[in-house]
Amino acid sequence: KNEVEQSPQNLTAQEGEFITINCSYSVGISALHWLQQHPGGGIVSLFMLSSGKKKHGRLIATINIQEKHSSLHITASHPRDSAVYICAVGGADGLTFGKGTHLIIQP
Amino acid sequence: KAGVTQTPRYLIKTRGQQVTLSCSPISGHRSVSWYQQTPGQGLQFLFEYFSETQRNKGNFPGRFSGRQFSNSRSEMNVSTLELGDSALYLCASRYPRDRADQEQYFGPGTRLTVT
Repeated sequence: KNEVEQSPQNLTAQEGEFITINCSYSVGISALHWLQQHPGGGIVSLFMLSSGKKKHGRLIATINIQEKHSSLHITASHPRDSAVYICAVGGADGLTFGKGTHLIIQP
Repeated sequence: KAGVTQTPRYLIKTRGQQVTLSCSPISGHRSVSWYQQTPGQGLQFLFEYFSETQRNKGNFPGRFSGRQFSNSRSEMNVSTLELGDSALYLCASRYPRDRADQEQYFGPGTRLTVT
């Protein structure tokens, strides 16, 4: 069974700061997902990646398959980025999720 | 296209009762997965249905079951509810182009409270 570790668990930063959230997993995977969850519960899929790097607006996700590690970066952070960010890895038995990183961006 | 819809959005049940939750996937999507989210355990995979067949199942007791209809709509059922079943239940749909295509689209969830 894949173990997914995220760090940090909680992160408070000032508006404009560069944010990095890390995710490590224990077993080889077919794809890794970064999800965003706002208060109220709705989940939005930010990225799905199996290699390299993806960028969408101010969000960048990278993955190193050999090291079993992924990072989610937010550039020029804004209070609306405040949410829980969840890493999930795909395998034969569905998705396995990290515990999430609770991000607060203060104005 | 309309997104994934789940009904009901909120539900309060009593211990020992059963409950049925519904998920309508994005039009054309053939796979529906169900997840449970609790403060203690986080998000956990329940099961996935593809073309009316259960493809995968997570580590949950037999009280949790599901099915998928020919129009890809899915229902999950929890029998003999326990207090610990209080959770946000999320479903997600995907096309998929092939088994490796795992991009998922999540619904808003059903918040179940068991008293």
